[in-house]
Amino acid sequence: AQTVTQSQPEMSVQEAETVTLSCTYDTSESNYYLFWYKQPPSRQMILVIRQEAYKQQNATENRFSVNFQKAAKSFSLKISDSQLGDTAMYFCAFQTGANNLFFGTGTRLTVIP
Amino acid sequence: DGGITQSPKYLFRKEGQNVTLSCEQNLNHDAMYWYRQDPGQGLRLIYYSQIVNDFQKGDIAEGYSVSREKKESFPLTVTSAQKNPTAFYLCASSIAPLAGPYNEQFFGPGTRLTVL
Repeated sequence: AQTVTQSQPEMSVQEAETVTLSCTYDTSESNYYLFWYKQPPSRQMILVIRQEAYKQQNATENRFSVNFQKAAKSFSLKISDSQLGDTAMYFCAFQTGANNLFFGTGTRLTVIP
Repeated sequence: DGGITQSPKYLFRKEGQNVTLSCEQNLNHDAMYWYRQDPGQGLRLIYYSQIVNDFQKGDIAEGYSVSREKKESFPLTVTSAQKNPTAFYLCASSIAPLAGPYNEQFFGPGTRLTVL
């Protein structure tokens, strides 16, 4: 069975500081993709960053970066220089060759001014 | 502008009634998906379609039905058989699954369904 676990239901961070959101997953597939999605109060799902499982190099998108540990099946998201607009629910997800996404339960992040 | 539209944004239904949620995309995507989101849970897949006139059940298809008569449209019907229909429903689309190993899913703005 494919599962995604986000063990931090809520987190907060001071504006301009750095925060790391955790995600672990379980799959028997060898080829898959990992994602972090952001869902702001508008509830629009926005792709933040993605990682191909076969790539060892961690993905980076501006202030967002991941720490991908394939053997440990861990995929954490680091947000640097946090901004008020980063306040949102963050979902970890992965996708197999069947093209279906499996989501975690989410982490609610609040950026404090 | 290309994108995915869902209507209505808020929908109220009396218990025992069927209701249909609309999802339209002009991205020329072959694949479309319906997800359900409940508080404290991630998105769960209801149905998906990889091509016109074909669709498959996801993890929680019971009490739901879909059709895919046009590439642009993938309506979801919540039937009276769905025991707990109150939820937030998200539609998504992606390019043809067989076009490559990875196809990003683009999401619509969602529909909030409340059963009275």
